[in-house]
Amino acid sequence: EAQVTQNPRYLITVTGKKLTVTCSQNMNHEYMSWYRQDPGLGLRQIYYSMNVEVTDKGDVPEGYKVSRKEKRNFPLILESPSPNQTSLYFCATRGSGRRTDTQYFGPGTRLTVL
Amino acid sequence: QKEVEQNSGPLSVPEGAIASLNCTYSDRGSQSFFWYRQYSGKSPELIMFIYSNGDKEDGRFTAQLNKASQYVSLLIRDSQPSDSATYLCAVPNQGGKLIFGQGTELSVKP
Repeated sequence: EAQVTQNPRYLITVTGKKLTVTCSQNMNHEYMSWYRQDPGLGLRQIYYSMNVEVTDKGDVPEGYKVSRKEKRNFPLILESPSPNQTSLYFCATRGSGRRTDTQYFGPGTRLTVL
Repeated sequence: QKEVEQNSGPLSVPEGAIASLNCTYSDRGSQSFFWYRQYSGKSPELIMFIYSNGDKEDGRFTAQLNKASQYVSLLIRDSQPSDSATYLCAVPNQGGKLIFGQGTELSVKP
């Protein structure tokens, strides 16, 4: 079954404690990205990756890091989380980033930073 | 002008009616258009995509594309309370990035 998985699904943490949200896909997709979604602000892209070892900033990259060492995995790293990073996070994948490629979302990670 | 615009709603329709959701986009070169449904707290789920001018039907859903007027719409026939959700329009830009509208909240009243 084609799927995108994220872990953890829910996380409550404290300011400054480094955390990693994992994302994995089994569709052999080249293009992966991270979004955050906040009430009234819609989906905002944090980072994206066109392929292994190729990453680039999205619309709201401050305070986040990513890596793409393998095709299937695209972890999101918060080195020093702050309360304004409390949000609902989605990982997403697309075939190759062509305009006709469909994008699939992971189930989401709800993060609370106290 | 925003790249992809939708009315935020909420749009309220009675059960059994046709719900009409609209989306306009700014890039005349756009070739593909996606509609996602998102239940509260859940991830967006693809329900329709359309590439060509005209209508595309899938069950109770019909996507309508008018490239000359730069709008794409989603019609939901025989609306059910389970259709109550936020509907997101998405259009890839020239770089391949998927641009989302803010979403339209639909409420179907029994």
